[in-house]
Amino acid sequence: DIQMTQSPSSLSASVGDRVTITCRASQSISSYLNWYQQKPGKPPKLLIYAASSLQSGVPSRFSGGGSGTDFTLTISSLQPEDVATYHCQQSYGTPYTFGQGTKLEI
Amino acid sequence: QVQLQESGPGLVKPSGTLSLTCAVSGGSIINDNWWNWVRQPPGKGLEWVGEIYHSGSTNYNPSLKSRVTISVDKSKNNFSLKLRSVTAADTAVYYCMRGVGGSDWYAFGYWGQGALVTVSS
Repeated sequence: DIQMTQSPSSLSASVGDRVTITCRASQSISSYLNWYQQKPGKPPKLLIYAASSLQSGVPSRFSGGGSGTDFTLTISSLQPEDVATYHCQQSYGTPYTFGQGTKLEI
Repeated sequence: QVQLQESGPGLVKPSGTLSLTCAVSGGSIINDNWWNWVRQPPGKGLEWVGEIYHSGSTNYNPSLKSRVTISVDKSKNNFSLKLRSVTAADTAVYYCMRGVGGSDWYAFGYWGQGALVTVSS
């Protein structure tokens, strides 16, 4: 299985801050990396697919980067509604695997 | 807009079988997509359980493969999950979802609201 490791596990930031979350794969996954946002009691929501493509309807302050084994999710200017847990996920091959999640607080 | 809704018992006894169904609306289950199950134990991360294509082809997580069966009912436009010999470690919110993708990408684009299944006597 491909192991996905996110850092940090939790993060506290202020409104307007630039926030970056990293995700590392245990082997190269090309650009088969997705990011999801999950708010309490809700299902995850797709934010970024193929490492850097913004899902329709997602605010442009979210961006993704990287390829191979190292990836980032960046929020350019943190907003109160961005409080959530963020998950990375590889779709390079089954079993699809997720990072452990990063809890973002303000 | 595709919508998915999980249903099934919220409480299962240890050693029993967990059974959930995902009803698909706003689209046909025989579209060119894979249909997935993912679970999330309380306060923990996400674990992919498996997927099915409308032809009946399946892929399962090896960690669960010996206990899992995913099936599709084209006449009812739904798909189902069965997990046998459950223990407390199988207590989780179970999500059904539809994959989306192109020639060089694949993601979980549409999610159900989730169904909490507790394994307890």
